[in-house]
Amino acid sequence: EVQLVQSGAEVKKPGESLKISCKGSGYSFTSYWIGWVRQMPGKGLEWMGIIYPGDSDTRYSPSFQGQVTISADKSISTAYLQWSSLKASDTAMYYCARSPGAAWGYNYWGQGTLVTVSS
Amino acid sequence: NFMLTQPHSVSESPGKTVTISCTGSSGSIASNYVQWYQQRPGSAPTTVIYEDNQRPSGVPDRFSGSIDSSSNSASLTISGLKTEDEADYYCQSYDSSNQGVFGGGTKLTVL
Repeated sequence: EVQLVQSGAEVKKPGESLKISCKGSGYSFTSYWIGWVRQMPGKGLEWMGIIYPGDSDTRYSPSFQGQVTISADKSISTAYLQWSSLKASDTAMYYCARSPGAAWGYNYWGQGTLVTVSS
Repeated sequence: NFMLTQPHSVSESPGKTVTISCTGSSGSIASNYVQWYQQRPGSAPTTVIYEDNQRPSGVPDRFSGSIDSSSNSASLTISGLKTEDEADYYCQSYDSSNQGVFGGGTKLTVL
C-alpha cells in the first residue's frame, strides 16, 4: 500500500528555521516525483514545487523560489521542505503528494503538516 | 501567468448531476493533463480524476472528467449526487513551463 506519512504539527517563532518531512512507503521512492502544496487558513491549494528523489531534480514555483528549499534523502525514502527564517505568513497546512511525472497530477497525498508561526 | 478559473460555489440536490468547470486563461488546456481533487473539511485532498478523465481505483464511476478545447476548459461531472460528495473541488494542471497551477476551488453543496 502506497503511503506518504508527514511529520507532526509545528509551532515556531518568526525568524526560526524549520524542516518538515514526508516519508514514502509501499512503492519505489526514487521512481516518482514528490510535490509540496501549501494551504493557508481558509484558502485554496498552492503548488510550491516538486522533486525527483532519483536524481534530486527540483523545480520551484516562482512564488516560492528562494523562500523554501525542497530536498530528499532517498536512502530513507523521505522528502523535506525547509525554511531558514520563518514568517508569520508561512502559517499554513503543508501537504506532500506523489506524482508519476514532473507535469502530471498527484495520485497519493500525505496527511498534511500544520505549521504555525507566531510570536 | 497561466491561471485556472473555477466557480466559487455550486449547489445541487441529492440524486442530481452537477458539473464544475475549470477554464484556462491562455494557451491550450489540452496541452497538459488536468486533475481534479476532492477535499472534505478538515481532511487532506484526494484525487478523483487524473490525466483529464481517469479515475483512481476506489473512486466511483459517478465521477467523470472531460476536456473541451473549444472553450479551453475542463469539467468535472458528478452524477447521482450524494451528501458525502459535499466538499471543495480543485482542478490542477501545468503551464507552458511545467509549473503547477491549481484552480481557486469550488465548494459543492448537496442540499
